[in-house]
Amino acid sequence: AQTVTQSQPEMSVQEAETVTLSCTYDTSESDYYLFWYKQPPSRQMILVIRQEAYKQQNATENRFSVNFQKAAKSFSLKISDSQLGDAAMYFCAYNSGNTPLVFGKGTRLSVIA
Amino acid sequence: EAQVTQNPRYLITVTGKKLTVTCSQNMNHEYMSWYRQDPGLGLRQIYYSMNVEVTDKGDVPEGYKVSRKEKRNFPLILESPSPNQTSLYFCASSDHRGRGYTFGSGTRLTVV
Repeated sequence: AQTVTQSQPEMSVQEAETVTLSCTYDTSESDYYLFWYKQPPSRQMILVIRQEAYKQQNATENRFSVNFQKAAKSFSLKISDSQLGDAAMYFCAYNSGNTPLVFGKGTRLSVIA
Repeated sequence: EAQVTQNPRYLITVTGKKLTVTCSQNMNHEYMSWYRQDPGLGLRQIYYSMNVEVTDKGDVPEGYKVSRKEKRNFPLILESPSPNQTSLYFCASSDHRGRGYTFGSGTRLTVV
């Protein structure tokens, strides 16, 4: 079964600084999708960014970007110019044609003013 | 507004009393899923559905039932709830797996 691992249960960053959240996954498939979701204290699940495995170019959404290393099965999220509103739980997720969305256990990000 | 609607948002019930959590989406999505979220465990899939009348078990299906009689609705049924089913539940839907899922606002269930 596909698994998603987030090795950092908690992280913190100074406001305006950059932070990188790690994610690795295990799969034998070649065509799949990867996602980062944000869950603020409101508990709403918000899609931050997504990456298609067949695309070599790393996805970017404003201050959020990913470092997708397909051979290493690594999918890290970089948040630039961190803001207080970025404080949340962040979940890495995977799916494919054969697998519904599978989540990691999450990383709690704190932003220090 | 495109959304996934779950009800209720909060529910406290007693052991063994059957309950249903409703989920409805207005985006004509084919895929729908139920997840439970527990501290330190992330989100774990309970059941998913790829279309009407097509459902399959996720990672933690024991104690739950689902049905998909209409495309827009995907209720979660707990026939005999137990305290270990106390959790935060999310319904989600998607029209294509590559686009990610849209989530409902969650249901906080407490079984005493």
